[in-house]
Amino acid sequence: EVQLVESGGGLVQPGESLKLSCATSGFNFSGSAIHWARQASGKGLEWVGRTRSIANNYATSYAESVTGRFTISRDESTRTAYLLMTSLKSEDTAVYYCTLGLVYWGQGNLVTVSS
Amino acid sequence: SYELTQPPSVSVSPGQTASITCFGDALPDQYAYWYQQRPGQAPVLVIYKDSERPSGIPDRFSGSGSGTTATLTISGVQAADEADYYCQSVDSSGAVEVFGGGTKLTVL
Repeated sequence: EVQLVESGGGLVQPGESLKLSCATSGFNFSGSAIHWARQASGKGLEWVGRTRSIANNYATSYAESVTGRFTISRDESTRTAYLLMTSLKSEDTAVYYCTLGLVYWGQGNLVTVSS
Repeated sequence: SYELTQPPSVSVSPGQTASITCFGDALPDQYAYWYQQRPGQAPVLVIYKDSERPSGIPDRFSGSGSGTTATLTISGVQAADEADYYCQSVDSSGAVEVFGGGTKLTVL
């Protein structure tokens, strides 16, 4: 069974950093693309970025809104993906989802950016 | 930046057919994907590669594409189908994924 479990969310102040984790099981981790998406309360889905599979050299790409501030990484030994968020803004407040190829989704983790 | 455009809302009576459209300039060359999201839940993929249906998704759900428009069709709509529906695709470079703004399906 495919499982993705996000953790690390919480309340942070504007300008601070936060790192989300996505623990996975049930699939070929190194052979899979891992995406992050987010959803502000009452709003639509927004794609944040992705890390591709080992066959694609784990290449990353990001949405324009987070480029230069967010970084996606992965640890093959622990089957965990990460989303490092820096220079956080109030508009980054959202539920953040980790997804396997945008097919299987985690339950989401709330990040609140507020002073 | 690339955008996918959906109608904000669609309403249909039980048993009728609902059609939700998604417009994007790159859709002639890129696949469309569709997600159902109920309140408080994570999205669920209901259509992939324009018209393919994942296992476990009822055959009432179908997808099609024509030029710059992708369409999700739900036949014999049930109360349980009331949800937000999102289309998703990738820009012409293939590097940036995009979601449409979402369509709220109301079953009257």
